[in-house]
Amino acid sequence: GAVVSQHPSWVICKSGTSVKIECRSLDFQATTMFWYRQFPKQSLMLMATSNEGSKATYEQGVEKDKFLINHASLTLSTLTVTSAHPEDSSFYICSARDSGLAGGPVLYSNEQFFGPGTRLTVL
Amino acid sequence: GQNIDQPTEMTATEGAIVQINCTYQTSGFNGLFWYQQHAGEAPTFLSYNVLDGLEEKGRFPSFLSRSKGYSYLLLKELQMKDSASYLCAVRDSGYALNFGKGTSLLVTP
Repeated sequence: GAVVSQHPSWVICKSGTSVKIECRSLDFQATTMFWYRQFPKQSLMLMATSNEGSKATYEQGVEKDKFLINHASLTLSTLTVTSAHPEDSSFYICSARDSGLAGGPVLYSNEQFFGPGTRLTVL
Repeated sequence: GQNIDQPTEMTATEGAIVQINCTYQTSGFNGLFWYQQHAGEAPTFLSYNVLDGLEEKGRFPSFLSRSKGYSYLLLKELQMKDSASYLCAVRDSGYALNFGKGTSLLVTP
């Protein structure tokens, strides 16, 4: 259990276009999902915290109008990179925390489950 | 803010034991995590500490001292496949994880 998927796994787009990345919790409900970005040979940097049914909380320095986050259901959060530029090329990773709302025991209340990541290349 | 430090690179021999240290200075603390990440892949969970002491967990036990802002991850009986980046992450009160820059471990024959 506790599987998080991301789609697409990689994408190449032209400068100026928008790209949507989906993050899904497949077998648990996630009130909160997190979006991270990782540049080559660097660590993960938290971009924003996505809360179901409310606005995302962005970290300092992350443009909320450029990185649109929607968390419309307990199993899906989307990140849209608008007007992408080459400097946005990066590895985008989401994670989800089991909210325990499904009624069963919260299996891993102290753990975040990471998606496999999306490699974005902007030409 | 969060300041999390760990060595950039380490090298160790197959079969040996290696210790990766992590020090942190954070505005809040709700647990410390260690993750393993192979190049181009997402991190995978290794261990979690919230109380002081050693958490025994197979080949990857981890230690925490909250008063010292210090943790270490032990990798026992090193295998070639353990060559990866090891990330120390501190969770603040909001459940978000703040990652260190990672330690790149190379295991040699």
